[in-house]
Amino acid sequence: ETGVTQTPRHLVMGMTNKKSLKCEQHLGHNAMYWYKQSAKKPLELMFVYSLEERVENNSVPSRFSPECPNSSHLFLHLHTLQPEDSALYLCASSQASTSHYGYTFGSGTRLTVV
Amino acid sequence: GQQLNQSPQSMFIQEGEDVSMNCTSSSIFNTWLWYKQDPGEGPVLLIALYKAGELTSNGRLTAQFGITRKDSFLNISASIPSDVGIYFCAGQGGVGSARQLTFGSGTQLTVLP
Repeated sequence: ETGVTQTPRHLVMGMTNKKSLKCEQHLGHNAMYWYKQSAKKPLELMFVYSLEERVENNSVPSRFSPECPNSSHLFLHLHTLQPEDSALYLCASSQASTSHYGYTFGSGTRLTVV
Repeated sequence: GQQLNQSPQSMFIQEGEDVSMNCTSSSIFNTWLWYKQDPGEGPVLLIALYKAGELTSNGRLTAQFGITRKDSFLNISASIPSDVGIYFCAGQGGVGSARQLTFGSGTQLTVLP
């Protein structure tokens, strides 16, 4: 596989469930990101991992818990979510050590909290 | 923090028409990027600009990095139905956390047959 792969593509969960989103990048990048995209709202940066260390946490509620076990994998653990957490969750990766870079995004996980 | 103003927020155009959208920033960027997002998918990089004044084309798409380094525009010529989607600009600064991308709020493009 190439690029950035996110699983699952769709997830419906109850407010008391615990689930995890998975992201895997096959590009040799050293930085990974979680974004939240709600309807008619801009992309919201949630977490940034660079060289497997979390370097940014943009005031995200503790019901979202990221994990980056290595430079190729990123998880977002979810528990006791609220309906307003329903959104498209996008993972991205980049090569942060180069002078020019863009992010490569996965296709996203469409999360619905019921 | 850095902010990007992207306009217009949405556009409805006839097939075959040209489209123009732009982004302005309160800060200087070293790189400007344009992404397109199809419904239900993640954004895909269309064009990257690395130098002030640079004009770059990708098929029917043309983008420019503004001389002041605080703005960029994207033009789409002779639009077709598959151009439908959300177009995002993104700017990248120089060092540290500023190297992270700052995204515009997107332009929703609808192409009418």
